[in-house]
Amino acid sequence: AQKVTQAQTEISVVEKEDVTLDCVYETRDTTYYLFWYKQPPSGELVFLIRRNSFDEQNEISGRYSWNFQKSTSSFNFTITASQVVDSAVYFCALSPLGTSYGKLTFGQGTILTVHP
Amino acid sequence: DTGVSQDPRHKITKRGQNVTFRCDPISEHNRLYWYRQTLGQGPEFLTYFQNEAQLEKSRLLSDRFSAERPKGSFSTLEIQRTEQGDSAMYLCASSLGLTGVDEQYFGPGTRLTVT
Repeated sequence: AQKVTQAQTEISVVEKEDVTLDCVYETRDTTYYLFWYKQPPSGELVFLIRRNSFDEQNEISGRYSWNFQKSTSSFNFTITASQVVDSAVYFCALSPLGTSYGKLTFGQGTILTVHP
Repeated sequence: DTGVSQDPRHKITKRGQNVTFRCDPISEHNRLYWYRQTLGQGPEFLTYFQNEAQLEKSRLLSDRFSAERPKGSFSTLEIQRTEQGDSAMYLCASSLGLTGVDEQYFGPGTRLTVT
C-alpha cells in the first residue's frame, strides 16, 4: 500500500518569508513518481511538478524548489520570498508505475496562508 | 484547449436519491480519472479509464457507485441511493495516457451535498 504524509496541517507566514512544506511517503515499489499540486480557493487542483524516483536531482522553478531524498522518503517543497497569491492548499502525491500508473495517492494537504 | 469540465458544479440531493455527474476531459486525452475529496482531506482515487475501458476501481467505490465512459470521451459517475456520507467534492482528471506518468489535469469538481 502507498501512503503520503504531510505532517504540517497549516502554515502561516508573512509575505517575503521562505516556507518549506514537508512530504514523506511510503511505498514498496522501487520505481514511482511524486507530484505536488496546488489547490487555490477556487478549488481546482493545479499541477506544479512531477519527479520520478530515478532522478534525485533537486529542481528549481522560479520561486519554487523541490528537494527529493530517496534515503529518507521525502519530497519537500520550498517557496522562496512567499507572496499572498501563494496562499492555497498544497498536496503531495505518489503514483506507481506499471499498469496502475496515474493512480495518485494524495497526502492530507498543507494549508498555506501568506499574510501581507 | 478548454480544460476538463464537470457538470453540475453543485448538487444538493436528499438521501436515497440517485445522482449522476458528468466529466468532459481534454480532447485527445486517453486517460480519465475520478477522485473524491472530503473536507480537509486530499483527493482519494475512485476509478480510472483508458479510453472506454475501466481499468481499476477503488474499494471506496461501493456497489452504489458506477462509472462509465461509453465512447472513450466524456464519462459519467452515478451514485444510487445516496447517503450522507457521500457528501464530498467529486473530481475528474484527464491525461494523455500514452507513455509514462504524464500530468493529470483536474476539473473544477462537482460538490455533492446529501441532506
